[in-house]
Amino acid sequence: KQEVTQIPAALSVPEGENLVLNCSFTDSAIYNLQWFRQDPGKGLTSLLLIQSSQREQTSGRLNASLDKSSGRSTLYIAASQPGDSATYLCAVLSGGYQKVTFGTGTKLQVIP
Amino acid sequence: DTEVTQTPKHLVMGMTNKKSLKCEQHMGHRAMYWYKQKAKKPPELMFVYSYEKLSINESVPSRFSPECPNSSLLNLHLHALQPEDSALYLCASSQGQASSYNEQFFGPGTRLTVL
Repeated sequence: KQEVTQIPAALSVPEGENLVLNCSFTDSAIYNLQWFRQDPGKGLTSLLLIQSSQREQTSGRLNASLDKSSGRSTLYIAASQPGDSATYLCAVLSGGYQKVTFGTGTKLQVIP
Repeated sequence: DTEVTQTPKHLVMGMTNKKSLKCEQHMGHRAMYWYKQKAKKPPELMFVYSYEKLSINESVPSRFSPECPNSSLLNLHLHALQPEDSALYLCASSQGQASSYNEQFFGPGTRLTVL
């Protein structure tokens, strides 16, 4: 059974700092890994998708990496802003191309 | 258009009521999903429909009954729910192909409260 863990569970940083969020998964046989953000009480917004054959994806100030063999992904956020405050979730697609398992989430607070 | 819509946004129901949640997408996706999310927890997969057929049921109690009338619509029928079923119910869709480019798009969710 796929298990996905995110560390840290919560993070508070001053505005302008660069930061890294971590995601670990137990079964390396994945199709892809997706990073989402979720604002309180809202749905999920897709940030980046990394296919299993890729090592990295970038979108604006966000950069996600994938090391499938070690079961790890990181989300790097450059020059953080208060608007980045949200819960960040990683999700892996494995065990069949429809089975998605979410990580435990990292709650990020960027202080002005 | 990468939008998934869900109605209603909020729903309050008693334990003897029957209600339905609705989800719609017009991206041509052939896989649609229901997730349940409790406060401060990640979403948990409930059901997956692939090409309008139920392909995954994560041992969900029968008081939750999914339906996929066509490739754009997904319903979740609710009956005799318990207070512990109160949660945010999220719908998602994806292309549905066996591909590493199977990206999920989520709706805004329905906040359900069972009294």
